[in-house]
Amino acid sequence: EIVMTQSPVTLSVSPGERVTLSCRASQSVSGNLAWYQQKPGQAPRLLIYGASTRATGIPARFSGSGSGTEFTLTISSLQSEDFAVYYCQQYNSWPPMFTFGQGTKLEIK
Amino acid sequence: QVQLVESGGGVVQPGGSLRLSCAASESTFSNYGMHWVRQAPGKGLEWVAFIRYNGDTKCYADSVKGRFTVSRDNSKSTLYLQMNSLRPEDTAVYYCAAMVVSATPPQFRSFWGQGSLVTVSS
Repeated sequence: EIVMTQSPVTLSVSPGERVTLSCRASQSVSGNLAWYQQKPGQAPRLLIYGASTRATGIPARFSGSGSGTEFTLTISSLQSEDFAVYYCQQYNSWPPMFTFGQGTKLEIK
Repeated sequence: QVQLVESGGGVVQPGGSLRLSCAASESTFSNYGMHWVRQAPGKGLEWVAFIRYNGDTKCYADSVKGRFTVSRDNSKSTLYLQMNSLRPEDTAVYYCAAMVVSATPPQFRSFWGQGSLVTVSS
């Protein structure tokens, strides 16, 4: 099983700031990495797939990068609606045990 | 995009059983590999199980292997999760999700239900 590790666990930031979240895989997942946003009481929402491709309808302030074992999600200018929990997920393994990181919570400073 | 609706959650005693269902809105369900993902209260997402589009391949997280069984009925566009020997640590919201990996062009799509709460408590 591929273990995904995110850092930091919690990040306190102010609206308008730029923020970078990290995700590391225990073995290479090539570029098969997705990022999700989850708000309380809601299902996760796909933001990024292929490490760097925005899903349909996702604003350009969200960007992803990385390959292999190291990945980042950057939000260029935080909006109030961006305060949520973010998860990375690898979808490289077969059989498809598409494991998640433990999440990073963005809090308002 | 396919809409997914889970049902069957509730309160069950430790050692008991429960079956979750996930109904899809369209027949394209039969083309998708399907997953179950759970989220314990206040915790992160945990991948639980997968079944291939035709049911011939299944896999499970170690935490549920031997106790949970995933199945599907493509004629009813419905996914199931049979949960036996339930433990308090199985308490979670259970989501069904279609996760579609395409090679040409390279694409990943992910559709989720709204979740169904399972509480294991005496």
